[in-house]
Amino acid sequence: NAGVTQTPKFQVLKTGQSMTLQCAQDMNHNSMYWYRQDPGMGLRLIYYSASEGTTDKGEVPNGYNVSRLNKREFSLRLESAAPSQTSVYFCASSESGNSPLHFGNGTRLTVT
Amino acid sequence: DQQVKQNSPSLSVQEGRISILNCDYTNSMFDYFLWYKKYPAEGPTFLISISSIKDKNEDGRFTVFLNKSAKHLSLHIVPSQPGDSAVYFCAATSFRGSTLGRLYFGRGTQLTVWP
Repeated sequence: NAGVTQTPKFQVLKTGQSMTLQCAQDMNHNSMYWYRQDPGMGLRLIYYSASEGTTDKGEVPNGYNVSRLNKREFSLRLESAAPSQTSVYFCASSESGNSPLHFGNGTRLTVT
Repeated sequence: DQQVKQNSPSLSVQEGRISILNCDYTNSMFDYFLWYKKYPAEGPTFLISISSIKDKNEDGRFTVFLNKSAKHLSLHIVPSQPGDSAVYFCAATSFRGSTLGRLYFGRGTQLTVWP
């Protein structure tokens, strides 16, 4: 099983450009999440989707939008990238809200 | 304001000895705690968890202890192995109300196990 797959692995953007980070899981999980990790920091929740058709803000949602396209896919969009969004982005999924999260391998994003 | 704190950025332990990683939290609403392990260029992987109704949970070489009155938990690895060298994240959440699955992470502790 692939688990949680994130694309792309690396991306460099210029300030003001937009892009979408893709995430797909093949474990039939109900809940999906987007986290970011900055150097020396723990992971911080950007958005999550408790179930297909629902999305909610996490700790640091500003500058991002999400789409739960179907049960498998949860995308994260940066409409106008800023240098402060330089980070490693992790997508995760869980069977339910009280199940441990399974993470993808991350997307390393640099905004210049 | 960090609600989950790992005050030791790094820990170095000899192979075969015990590794003790510590974590403190400030939010008394947290009732479920997890440890994740992360290797470079990979996502975190779940290691072990504990509910607030327990004070200890054991899984093989890994044991997590919870002291609710002190708002403190620790992860013990015995015996430590070189393959345990990774960054360990403590995480906490509350299933009361609507914080479903919203994990709050510490900054991580880099564990190095040397032969």
